[in-house]
Amino acid sequence: SQQGEEDPQALSIQEGENATMNCSYKTSINNLQWYRQNSGRGLVHLILIRSNEREKHSGRLRVTLDTSKKSSSLLITASRAADTASYFCATDSYSSASKIIFGSGTRLSIRP
Amino acid sequence: EAQVTQNPRYLITVTGKKLTVTCSQNMNHEYMSWYRQDPGLGLRQIYYSMNVEVTDKGDVPEGYKVSRKEKRNFPLILESPSPNQTSLYFCASSLEGGTGELFFGEGSRLTVL
Repeated sequence: SQQGEEDPQALSIQEGENATMNCSYKTSINNLQWYRQNSGRGLVHLILIRSNEREKHSGRLRVTLDTSKKSSSLLITASRAADTASYFCATDSYSSASKIIFGSGTRLSIRP
Repeated sequence: EAQVTQNPRYLITVTGKKLTVTCSQNMNHEYMSWYRQDPGLGLRQIYYSMNVEVTDKGDVPEGYKVSRKEKRNFPLILESPSPNQTSLYFCASSLEGGTGELFFGEGSRLTVL
């Protein structure tokens, strides 16, 4: 079963623009995480936001969480060519914190 | 250097030939997990382990076995591989059980003919 669903599936923007990706999930969670994956490589953790937090920043990343809508967004500001990758949200389940479920991801392409 | 190491990175095998994908982490993490990644389906959890001798099924455990005899190792065993197990496999570990940052290996691309 997929907990998180990212939107859009693919996004292409000009270098320097901001990129926004969304994630929706189905059940109550303890926390939500965002990961980046360069083509065929292992995933790299970007940021974790807990269910009692509404917004979190890390460098050029801004994550919001709306537990009432069961959704999160990842904003990458001032995009760079190196940001080209797939981005995944991952959630645990309030009833089973050990099972971490990933969405199908957003493929982000940054045009020079 | 903190890392999760998987082997082999690439493997082509035939239906029914037992194989093991090894996973080792050097961060003293208690939690370890296996995922498979298929196009359009994201990552799906196969098995996870909260600690030594404690393992549990994820969403797609059929056709796989795991063991956790030591804290650092969490091998994935395919007793009788089938073509539908052709996939990219990732091992991951975490300090904080299932609620913390996951550290991923580089992946093992398996093809079953």
